[in-house]
Amino acid sequence: GQNIDQPTEMTATEGAIVQINCTYQTSGFNGLFWYQQHAGEAPTFLSYNVLDGLEEKGRFSSFLSRSKGYSYLLLKELQMKDSASYLCAADMNTGFQKLVFGTGTRLLVSP
Amino acid sequence: EPEVTQTPSHQVTQMGQEVILRCVPISNHLYFYWYRQILGQKVEFLVSFYNNEISEKSEIFDDQFSVERPDGSNFTLKIRSTKLEDSAMYFCARAGREGKNIQYFGAGTRLSVL
Repeated sequence: GQNIDQPTEMTATEGAIVQINCTYQTSGFNGLFWYQQHAGEAPTFLSYNVLDGLEEKGRFSSFLSRSKGYSYLLLKELQMKDSASYLCAADMNTGFQKLVFGTGTRLLVSP
Repeated sequence: EPEVTQTPSHQVTQMGQEVILRCVPISNHLYFYWYRQILGQKVEFLVSFYNNEISEKSEIFDDQFSVERPDGSNFTLKIRSTKLEDSAMYFCARAGREGKNIQYFGAGTRLSVL
């Protein structure tokens, strides 16, 4: 089966750091995506982790542990515009890449 | 990074009617996908399309759904007889450029079935 779990909602203040966790149980796994989705808009690509470890890209970093079925997205120096849903998605090893999404974590950044 | 262009942005239809949602790639891509997102719910995989053929489809993608690339450019999703529960955002995504398996999403079509 396939199960992706992430918190429903998180709150943080401007300038702070927030970590959004994602755990997955899937049969067949290539890697893990993180997308940002503002209300009423399309998911926007943030990161793709295939190997274990941390990948940093500006204010955003993403971590993957394949053995633990665990990933997190780290957002630093939070800005109001970071208020959005953050979607964790497993890249299934089906040959042609199928993404299985979690329900998303709604992040509210307050002043 | 250019994504794909989806038309229309919003489609309103009566239950039982056929709808066609269109996805136009900006340039030549190899892999195309359709996903849907019912309001307030998670993004769900519908179908993947490679080399003008369906490569995988989900249990949601039943006989009411079909995809094709009629003119080698536009990529369409057809729902033959819409139901109320088909109301959702439908996203087209593409991948395959520069050897990266990163899926980039179009802006989506909001389908409202009345």
